[in-house]
Amino acid sequence: AQSVTQLGSHVSVSEGALVLLRCNYSSSVPPYLFWYVQYPNQGLQLLLKYTSAATLVKGINGFEAEFKKSETSFHLTKPSAHMSDAAEYFCAVSDRTATGYALNFGKGTSLLVTP
Amino acid sequence: DGGITQSPKYLFRKEGQNVTLSCEQNLNHDAMYWYRQDPGQGLRLIYYSQIVNDFQKGDIAEGYSVSREKKESFPLTVTSAQKNPTAFYLCASSITSDTTEQYFGPGTRLTVT
Repeated sequence: AQSVTQLGSHVSVSEGALVLLRCNYSSSVPPYLFWYVQYPNQGLQLLLKYTSAATLVKGINGFEAEFKKSETSFHLTKPSAHMSDAAEYFCAVSDRTATGYALNFGKGTSLLVTP
Repeated sequence: DGGITQSPKYLFRKEGQNVTLSCEQNLNHDAMYWYRQDPGQGLRLIYYSQIVNDFQKGDIAEGYSVSREKKESFPLTVTSAQKNPTAFYLCASSITSDTTEQYFGPGTRLTVT
């Protein structure tokens, strides 16, 4: 089964600093990869997705992620953190089931942005 | 506006009682999913449904049941057999079961005491 590992359950950055959230995947086939963001007590919102069209994927709110097959990574970055970026971030990989697809999620990384 | 509705936002129940969580979507999506979220554990798949009147167990189906009588609705029942039901429950949908992108509802926080 396909899986993802998020390195670091908590990341703290200063406002204006680079955001880097790490995700490594394990997949026996070319994966579909996703980053979702979750604000407190809310559902998940899709930030961006990789579906093999381009290795550098741009998403909403200034985030982007680069698919690196050699490193089996799909790290999320943003050049300059904003206070409103404070949230929980989940990396996910699409896993083929017997009857369709399901998402396997990482355990999440909580991003704290300090003034 | 199209989207996924989960109600209620917060739900409290006594131990030993069954409780049903509502999930409705007006996106005309074929596939629907239920996830459970616990702190530090990410999201875990409970059940999913590709089409009306069909559903499949996910990774942690024990103690849960679902139905899919209508395309728009996918209610989840947390039974008294679920050993640790207190959690945040998220419903999601996708256009078809072969579509990898999923859209999420706002979630229901269930507390059982």
